[in-house]
Amino acid sequence: DIVMTQFPASLPVTPGEPASISCRSTQSLQQSNEINYVDWYLQKPGQSPKLLIYLGSNRASGVPDRFSGSGSGTDFTLKITRVEADDVGLYYCMQSLQTPPTFGGGTRVEIK
Amino acid sequence: EVRLVESGGGIIQPGGSLRLSCEASEFLVRSRYMSWIRQAPGKGLEWVSLVYSGGRTFYADSVRGRFTISRDRNSKMMFLQMTDLRAEDSAIYYCASDTLGYTGYEFEFWGQGTLVTVSS
Repeated sequence: DIVMTQFPASLPVTPGEPASISCRSTQSLQQSNEINYVDWYLQKPGQSPKLLIYLGSNRASGVPDRFSGSGSGTDFTLKITRVEADDVGLYYCMQSLQTPPTFGGGTRVEIK
Repeated sequence: EVRLVESGGGIIQPGGSLRLSCEASEFLVRSRYMSWIRQAPGKGLEWVSLVYSGGRTFYADSVRGRFTISRDRNSKMMFLQMTDLRAEDSAIYYCASDTLGYTGYEFEFWGQGTLVTVSS
């Protein structure tokens, strides 16, 4: 199985400031079509996960443009340009290239 | 309205069986791919199983041979029959659907989850 590793595990952020979460896979998630099969989810406290970014850099419906996904191959990044208080929660990367899809361990974003 | 609603969770003894259900709203009935994903208390997310609209199924190694996923599009329902349950199966079980249609694993919609506790 492909292992996804996220860092940092915890990220204190200041509202209005940028934030960045990294994710690394044990094998390349980029196919010959140049699509990177990595998705990002946010699980707010007490809620189900929500899809933020799919296939590397595509924002899901209704996701603010403060969120962006980038990277290729084995190294990926989720960036928030200006963090808001409502962005707190657990962020997960996930590879959708192979069965089983596998999630990173999560990054907990909290307000300083 | 776009909704997935799980039910059927509860407390079950090790070795027991449980059947989870997921009811999809009209929009999601057309979804080609539907999965079960679980989250043990205080832990991360683990994909469990996927069913195509045509019936093809996939399983995580940890549940293969013990869990069976199925889908009845006429009744808008998806099921997860769980047998030989173990303590490590204790988790919130979410049903999720991929309506984007790229890989089957872009989980655009999630239910609220149903809690399964395996304990004697």
